[in-house]
Amino acid sequence: AQSVTQLDSQVPVFEEAPVELRCNYSSSVSVYLFWYVQYPNQGLQLLLKYLSGSTLVKGINGFEAEFNKSQTSFHLRKPSVHISDTAEYFCAVSRFTGNQFYFGTGTSLTVIP
Amino acid sequence: KAGVTQTPRYLIKTRGQQVTLSCSPISGHRSVSWYQQTPGQGLQFLFEYFSETQRNKGNFPGRFSGRQFSNSRSEMNVSTLELGDSALYLCASSQPGLRVTGELFFGEGSRLTVL
Repeated sequence: AQSVTQLDSQVPVFEEAPVELRCNYSSSVSVYLFWYVQYPNQGLQLLLKYLSGSTLVKGINGFEAEFNKSQTSFHLRKPSVHISDTAEYFCAVSRFTGNQFYFGTGTSLTVIP
Repeated sequence: KAGVTQTPRYLIKTRGQQVTLSCSPISGHRSVSWYQQTPGQGLQFLFEYFSETQRNKGNFPGRFSGRQFSNSRSEMNVSTLELGDSALYLCASSQPGLRVTGELFFGEGSRLTVL
C-alpha cells in the first residue's frame, strides 16, 4: 500500500522569502511522485512530477522538488514566493501501472505581504 | 481544448436522499477518476473508469457507485446520503493507456452539502 505524509498543514511565509513544503511517502513498490496546487474554488493543477531521471525536478511558477529515495521524500521548494502562490499544495504518489493516485492531506501556503 | 466539466457545481441534499454527479472529461481522454476531498482528510480515491470499465476502486462503502458511458462521460452516485458525505467531489481525466502518463486533469468539483 502507498501513503503520503505532508508534515505541515499550514505554512505562513513573507513575500519574497524562500519556502519548503515537506512530503514523505511510503510504498512497497516503486512510484511516481507529483505536486499539485489548488487555488481557492478551483480544481487541482499539476505543478511538477518525477517519473525517472534527474532527481531535481523543475515545475511551473518557479517551483522545484527533489526526489530523495533513501529518505523517501519529495520536498517542494521555491526561492522567492509571491502573493499569488497562496494556495493549497498536495503531494501525491502513483504506482507505475494503473491510474490510482494517493494524495497527502495538503499544505496551506499563505504568503504574507 | 475544453477542460474537465463537472455538474452541478453546488448542491444541497438531506440525509437519506441520493445524488448523481456528472463529469465530462477532456476530449480524447478515456480514463476518468473520482476523488472525495474533505478538510483534514485531503483527497481520497473513489474509483477510476477506463473504456466503460471500473479499473480501480478505493475504500468506500457500496453506497458510492459510478459508471462511464461510451463517450467517456462519467457519473457517480451516492445513495442513502449521510452527513459525513458532505465534501467536494473531484473528477479527473487522463490520457488513454494502462501506464501512468503523469498528469491528471481535474475539474472544479461538485460541492455536496448534506443536511
